[in-house]
Amino acid sequence: AQSVTQLDSQVPVFEEAPVELRCNYSSSVSVYLFWYVQYPNQGLQLLLKYLSGSTLVESINGFEAEFNKSQTSFHLRKPSVHISDTAEYFCAVSEMDTDKLIFGTGTRLQVFP
Amino acid sequence: EPEVTQTPSHQVTQMGQEVILRCVPISNHLYFYWYRQILGQKVEFLVSFYNNEISEKSEIFDDQFSVERPDGSNFTLKIRSTKLEDSAMYFCASSGSSGETQYFGPGTRLLVL
Repeated sequence: AQSVTQLDSQVPVFEEAPVELRCNYSSSVSVYLFWYVQYPNQGLQLLLKYLSGSTLVESINGFEAEFNKSQTSFHLRKPSVHISDTAEYFCAVSEMDTDKLIFGTGTRLQVFP
Repeated sequence: EPEVTQTPSHQVTQMGQEVILRCVPISNHLYFYWYRQILGQKVEFLVSFYNNEISEKSEIFDDQFSVERPDGSNFTLKIRSTKLEDSAMYFCASSGSSGETQYFGPGTRLLVL
């Protein structure tokens, strides 16, 4: 069965510092991978996704994630965070024959000035 | 930019009562989903819906739950007889086709007393 593990429940970081939010998954078949972000009092917004092709995917606001099949990971990184990046980040996976998203428990990124 | 909307934002109900959570998906989308997040836990898939039929459901989605698309715009989740453990944030999502990005609404926070 699929599962997603986000080991870090909270990540505090100072503004302009780099950050990495970890995500590991388990699945016996090929998967699609997603990062969603939830700002306070808002819904889940897609940040980036890996479907196929290049293993490095980027978002418009400077985040990137790399699909590593051998390590079954899809870690999210940003070289320099802003206060506005403070939010909850969810990693999710779906198998290719289903639309069901399996989410991790989320990582709360707190950026301090 | 089109978005998924949900009403109400908050709902408080007594155990045993019926509740209907409403969602307006993005207008040209054909695939609809419900997820829930119990406080402090993962976002969990409940059900997917396409062409006026349930296409997939989780073990959580038992006989107490039902979904409906009563008209061309709304997508509803009904819980017939609420239990305390139904207290959660319920998210609606929609996508243009199978395998495409799911766009989430802001959620309805349901509290069962």
